[in-house]
Amino acid sequence: DQQVKQNSPSLSVQEGRISILNCDYTNSMFDYFLWYKKYPAEGPTFLISISSIKDKNEDGRFTVFLNKSAKHLSLHIVPSQPGDSAVYFCAASWQGTYKYIFGTGTRLKVLA
Amino acid sequence: DTEVTQTPKHLVMGMTNKKSLKCEQHMGHRAMYWYKQKAKKPPELMFVYSYEKLSINESVPSRFSPECPNSSLLNLHLHALQPEDSALYLCASSQTSGAGGEQFFGPGTRLTVL
Repeated sequence: DQQVKQNSPSLSVQEGRISILNCDYTNSMFDYFLWYKKYPAEGPTFLISISSIKDKNEDGRFTVFLNKSAKHLSLHIVPSQPGDSAVYFCAASWQGTYKYIFGTGTRLKVLA
Repeated sequence: DTEVTQTPKHLVMGMTNKKSLKCEQHMGHRAMYWYKQKAKKPPELMFVYSYEKLSINESVPSRFSPECPNSSLLNLHLHALQPEDSALYLCASSQTSGAGGEQFFGPGTRLTVL
């Protein structure tokens, strides 16, 4: 049972435009969410996180939105750059645990 | 130093071999993790050590044996593996537990079992 899902396996976006990556979850216990970027042959790199007490968090070109009622979060990248081309994973966790549940990943390709 | 290092980068082993994967961090993190990642799949949690004690074992077969000799080091001992165990093995560390603790990942060890 996949508790964290990324329904789009891939996404292509023109350079300079907005990239929107989506993530859905089923477990209402989750209260902390993270986005990671992964290049081939490297480990995932932390990008941005959000706790359930917020509905938005921004860091430079990256913004994460959380809709708790819909159990949905999204990562917006504006403007998209060719160096953003990678696989993006969302992950979820909850208070007092060391467990992080990862989504299936979305491969983003930013076209120059 | 915000780096998690893993050795070796690549490992090829036979089904009767015994080998070990090593992971090191010097960020003062007290939680360390082993994940397994197959191609085009998300990382799957295997083990978590918290303050050098095994905190989580996700029903991993006994042919994988973790060890945390001290707060900076994490090993994964491998014995009698199967070809289906071939994968990227990722180590990670975090300062605290979830809900506030971002994980820092190492580059992984690409394991091939023949």
